[in-house]
Amino acid sequence: GAGVSQTPSNKVTEKGKYVELRCDPISGHTALYWYRQSLGQGPEFLIYFQGTGAADDSGLPNDRFFAVRPEGSVSTLKIQRTERGDSAVYLCASSSGQSNQPQHFGDGTRLSIL
Amino acid sequence: GQNIDQPTEMTATEGAIVQINCTYQTSGFNGLFWYQQHAGEAPTFLSYNVLDGLEEKGRFSSFLSRSKGYSYLLLKELQMKDSASYLCALIYNQGGKLIFGQGTELSVKP
Repeated sequence: GAGVSQTPSNKVTEKGKYVELRCDPISGHTALYWYRQSLGQGPEFLIYFQGTGAADDSGLPNDRFFAVRPEGSVSTLKIQRTERGDSAVYLCASSSGQSNQPQHFGDGTRLSIL
Repeated sequence: GQNIDQPTEMTATEGAIVQINCTYQTSGFNGLFWYQQHAGEAPTFLSYNVLDGLEEKGRFSSFLSRSKGYSYLLLKELQMKDSASYLCALIYNQGGKLIFGQGTELSVKP
């Protein structure tokens, strides 16, 4: 079956612009997670959803970052007024929501802010 | 914080056995995951430990000791394709976020 799908795979934009990153989780997975990963580091948690609601958004670095999951499936991560420090790979994962079940990751969106 | 520590890099020989350690200074977590990540690709699930002891899955095994704050991933009969980054991660709440270590970059040499 299909895995977690993220689009675009690469995004290059200028400082100050707005970007949207999309995640299409595995069908039937109720939990959806966003992480970001810098080179040589492990993924860093941003936010996760159970269904349509954000269950934990403690990892969002500031109010320029926002995420939605309006129908409990596809999610969009939105970044306003991008800064060069936002450059990273943004990973999305989904799971059944049980603690012993692994999170399945997409290939990520490589975001570069010029 | 959780202070999850892993060696940055390791090198091993094809056909050999390698042990990748993960130490942490925290408690009260539900379990510990190991993921493999090839360069430019998604992390993929390898193993999950919730109880102390060894979990074996083919060439890969993972061990957890909660009292010692320690886990390791054991890779046997190394193959060139095992060259990748190996990430340990803690989960605290059911269905909750993963807290990752910085990853160990393993290079397998002929």
